[in-house]
Amino acid sequence: SQQGEEDPQALSIQEGENATMNCSYKTSINNLQWYRQNSGRGLVHLILIRSNEREKHSGRLRVTLDTSKKSSSLLITASRAADTASYFCATDEGNSGYSTLTFGKGTMLLVSP
Amino acid sequence: DTGVSQNPRHKITKRGQNVTFRCDPISEHNRLYWYRQTLGQGPEFLTYFQNEAQLEKSRLLSDRFSAERPKGSFSTLEIQRTEQGDSAMYLCASSPTSGGANTGELFFGEGSRLTVL
Repeated sequence: SQQGEEDPQALSIQEGENATMNCSYKTSINNLQWYRQNSGRGLVHLILIRSNEREKHSGRLRVTLDTSKKSSSLLITASRAADTASYFCATDEGNSGYSTLTFGKGTMLLVSP
Repeated sequence: DTGVSQNPRHKITKRGQNVTFRCDPISEHNRLYWYRQTLGQGPEFLTYFQNEAQLEKSRLLSDRFSAERPKGSFSTLEIQRTEQGDSAMYLCASSPTSGGANTGELFFGEGSRLTVL
């Protein structure tokens, strides 16, 4: 079963614009992660935010976490055509001591030059 | 290249045949995971190894699915008597630990795409 649900399912923007993707989840978590996947390729880890953190930055990425609303957002600033990919949030409930991540269905981002 | 390596990248088989996928994790990672991803969906967890021990296998989709990691290095995922519904991308991931604690992030391979005719 999939816990995280990304919104929107698809997003089309122009280069230079910002892209915001949202993720909602259902249960308590230890951490929430965002991954990127280019078409037909494996997933690449972008950023991890722990349940006691509210905001985290990495380069052009900004992630927020609201545990009271069970939601997270990923902001990509000054987007580039190379950012075109699917973006997945994944939750780690942290019950088992290892990362049994539960992924959402993803947001497909298209950045046009 | 020191990333996670998966072979074959693409496998086409006929229904009823057995298939095996191999994963070579990042060498210093003792944790290894298998996921399955179908079209338009996110990856779905299948099984987990810590070194050679398979600590979680209840999420394997049926008894036709099995995985091994005999020496705590590479792993194999076998699907017996394949069905068309098994067509998917099978992803392997590994992760490091820091002082024995789980660091959280997974490092994925490029996946093995299975097509069952």
